[in-house]
Amino acid sequence: GPKVLQIPSHQIIDMGQMVTLNCDPVSNHLYFYWYKQILGQQMEFLVNFYNGKVMEKSKLFKDQFSVERPDGSYFTLKIQPTALEDSAVYFCASSSTGGASTGQLYFGEGSKLTVL
Amino acid sequence: SQLAEENLWALSVHEGESVTVNCSYKTSITALQWYRQKSGEGPAQLILIRSNEREKRNGRLRATLDTSSQSSSLSITATRCEDTAVYFCAPSNYNVLYFGSGTKLTVEP
Repeated sequence: GPKVLQIPSHQIIDMGQMVTLNCDPVSNHLYFYWYKQILGQQMEFLVNFYNGKVMEKSKLFKDQFSVERPDGSYFTLKIQPTALEDSAVYFCASSSTGGASTGQLYFGEGSKLTVL
Repeated sequence: SQLAEENLWALSVHEGESVTVNCSYKTSITALQWYRQKSGEGPAQLILIRSNEREKRNGRLRATLDTSSQSSSLSITATRCEDTAVYFCAPSNYNVLYFGSGTKLTVEP
């Protein structure tokens, strides 16, 4: 079936550094999402993105976070600067429809971020 | 506070048995989806049930939705070892899916 690819699968960085997580969504999908999952806890919504703009974001989407998809390439999540509490697995998802009420979200396998 | 919550943290059955996972939610919804996440993988959708539907089937899977009690269930019949995974309910309000903590289902031979 359709695949969402996430790069890197695992990244270890020092607190205060910048990190960019990359997502290659399903071809022709137009809606993109990032979720955060701390080990053993539920997956929490961060942000969704369409037509070059953030549509909605949660309280977890701090000012240090940003997303973009320049020229139809990777959909990226940038954290600058990182904090210890940013350690988690970040899942990217894409869908062909805008509403989670009508369509399926396809998830990648996650990018595990460890902030030391 | 969590907007969705499965009623059990973990469940174990033997292959061939049936199992039901239950979920309650706290937000108004336009639909509810069930996802499965196997170890090391991202979640994969199993069923989407809209707020005006009461039941949806997909092969061995059956989901129910009761909007008056804000609850949903996912039943799996004739379970197989490969059904071992964490099962999440995910209510949605238009563009956002809210995930519960999940129920870890183990299907033993």
